Amino acid sequence: RKEVEQDPGPFNVPEGATVAFNCTYSNSASQSFFWYRQDCRKEPKLLMSVYSSGNEDGRFTAQLNRASQYISLLIRDSKLSDSATYLCVGGTSGTYKYIFGTGTRLKVLA
Amino acid sequence: DVKVTQSSRYLVKRTGEKVFLECVQDMDHENMFWYRQDPGLGLRLIYFSYDVKMKEKGDIPEGYSVSREKKERFSLILESASTNQTSMYLCASTLENQPQHFGDGTRLSIL
Repeated sequence: RKEVEQDPGPFNVPEGATVAFNCTYSNSASQSFFWYRQDCRKEPKLLMSVYSSGNEDGRFTAQLNRASQYISLLIRDSKLSDSATYLCVGGTSGTYKYIFGTGTRLKVLA
Repeated sequence: DVKVTQSSRYLVKRTGEKVFLECVQDMDHENMFWYRQDPGLGLRLIYFSYDVKMKEKGDIPEGYSVSREKKERFSLILESASTNQTSMYLCASTLENQPQHFGDGTRLSIL
């Protein structure tokens, strides 16, 4: 079992839709979680950190569920420009290791 | 803003050559990382460094070595390039428990 797992998609949604991705992690010692966005042939760029209490940044909301060991990303009012691959990342304190999921591909359709 | 700069965006080398990929960050981060990214496999950690002259093997270190002589610079070396090392190489830097910041990536082709 991979340490961090994501549904590869693609998720095809119309503009304006709300879409949610989940990401499960197997290492209960994971402390830090992040969502990255990666456009085709580009580097991953930090979208947002994920806090235990949940956090929001504009149309994006991230949640952490430690009991069930998953994190989620909700995108409201999808834009064409949201089309990308979304990577979730878990980090374990003291190990310097960050484990990346293989990404979920989102296509927002006009 | 954090700036992580990789020396080349695209690189073509021949089998058996020694290849150097350079990465420089300007935020005084202790931790630096080298990954490769291949379709369907995601990012895989090759090596990381948590201080000058310190290095740790990642998940796929075979065929690679690294050098960190200065805090801001982390070099990846392919000792004798092989075709299965054709990939996208990404450098990142961070402080502990903080998100990583990536360079633009180097698309390396080994012929």
